[in-house]
Amino acid sequence: EAQVTQNPRYLITVTGKKLTVTCSQNMNHEYMSWYRQDPGLGLRQIYYSMNVEVTDKGDVPEGYKVSRKEKRNFPLILESPSPNQTSLYFCASSLDGLNTEAFFGQGTRLTVV
Amino acid sequence: GENVEQHPSTLSVQEGDSAVIKCTYSDSASNYFPWYKQELGKRPQLIIDIRSNVGEKKDQRIAVTLNKTAKHFSLHITETQPEDSAVYFCAATKGGDKIIFGKGTRLHILP
Repeated sequence: EAQVTQNPRYLITVTGKKLTVTCSQNMNHEYMSWYRQDPGLGLRQIYYSMNVEVTDKGDVPEGYKVSRKEKRNFPLILESPSPNQTSLYFCASSLDGLNTEAFFGQGTRLTVV
Repeated sequence: GENVEQHPSTLSVQEGDSAVIKCTYSDSASNYFPWYKQELGKRPQLIIDIRSNVGEKKDQRIAVTLNKTAKHFSLHITETQPEDSAVYFCAATKGGDKIIFGKGTRLHILP
């Protein structure tokens, strides 16, 4: 089944403790991206990647890192999480980033205390 | 950079009536405008999209119109049904670049 898989689904952590949210797609998509969703603010893009070893900042990249060592995986790294990073995070992938449908993962609800 | 404004933030319509959600964008180079629907507790899913070389696109009860001169595009849902209740997001991008989403419209279908 074609899908985008994120892990974990839920995570509660403490301020400053490094964490990684994994994202994997099995559709051989080139374009992958991370979003955060907050009430009243919609979906805001954090980082995106057009292909392996190519990553670019989205609208709200501060406090986040990403890597794209393999085509299928695009992990989101929070080196030193803070409470303002408490949010619902979505990973998404699309065929080539040239104006094609984005397929979203099931979301990761992160709470930083 | 691109900025997308979406209105209204909340919309309530009687079942069977039509709903219209409007978005404006700022970057004239944007050429792809998707609409996503997000049901409660679920992930966003594409419902319709339009490219800048097309003025209108329709898929059953859903249609999208694009006015490039005015830099706005709209989602039209006719004969609304209870299952249309959700949050709808518009977005704009110019391919190979950031994707900017509107803040969303919560649509309530009233019985």
